[in-house]
Amino acid sequence: AQSVTQLDSQVPVFEEAPVELRCNYSSSVSVYLFWYVQYPNQGLQLLLKYLSGSTLVKGINGFEAEFNKSQTSFHLRKPSVHISDTAEYFCAVTRMDSSYKLIFGSGTRLLVRP
Amino acid sequence: GAGVSQSPSNKVTEKGKDVELRCDPISGHTALYWYRQSLGQGLEFLIYFQGNSAPDKSGLPSDRFSAERTGGSVSTLTIQRTQQEDSAVYLCASSFVPSTNTEAFFGQGTRLTVV
Repeated sequence: AQSVTQLDSQVPVFEEAPVELRCNYSSSVSVYLFWYVQYPNQGLQLLLKYLSGSTLVKGINGFEAEFNKSQTSFHLRKPSVHISDTAEYFCAVTRMDSSYKLIFGSGTRLLVRP
Repeated sequence: GAGVSQSPSNKVTEKGKDVELRCDPISGHTALYWYRQSLGQGLEFLIYFQGNSAPDKSGLPSDRFSAERTGGSVSTLTIQRTQQEDSAVYLCASSFVPSTNTEAFFGQGTRLTVV
């Protein structure tokens, strides 16, 4: 079985401060990794993804994430956040086998304060 | 279509009634997911269709919930004898698998309110 853990349900941070949202996963097979963002009253959209190659991936809106296989982590980072980054962030994995089932973490609410 | 389309966008129903929620995935996408998102909560997996394989129904919360996908395209999620705890946003997503790019695209959701 596989699972995705986002330990922080809410992360408050001041505007222009750096932020890291943590994601750990467990899986018996290799996985693809994703971060999705859900802005208030909107649908989910892809922020970034790791499929293969460089372990540091860059996404939209200045976000980046680093895949660490030994620690089974895929933490999301941004060096300087804006008020508009306030949203719910979901980490997700999909198995690189015949199922390709997408599994989500419980989400982290990023609250950016002025 | 250009994206995943869900209908209706909002549904208010009386407790005990049956409801049907529809999802039109992106053309050609072989995988289709249903998730449920209760107020302030994360995404709860409900069911997963992948090509011609038997659907993964492991997330359906009770036998009142069922889903089908006709012709490998449109999907309908049916909730029978709705209860107030069924109130939530129901999200549909589709993706193309097997592929090295398994990004899932989400619809805007159906907000179900059971009164």
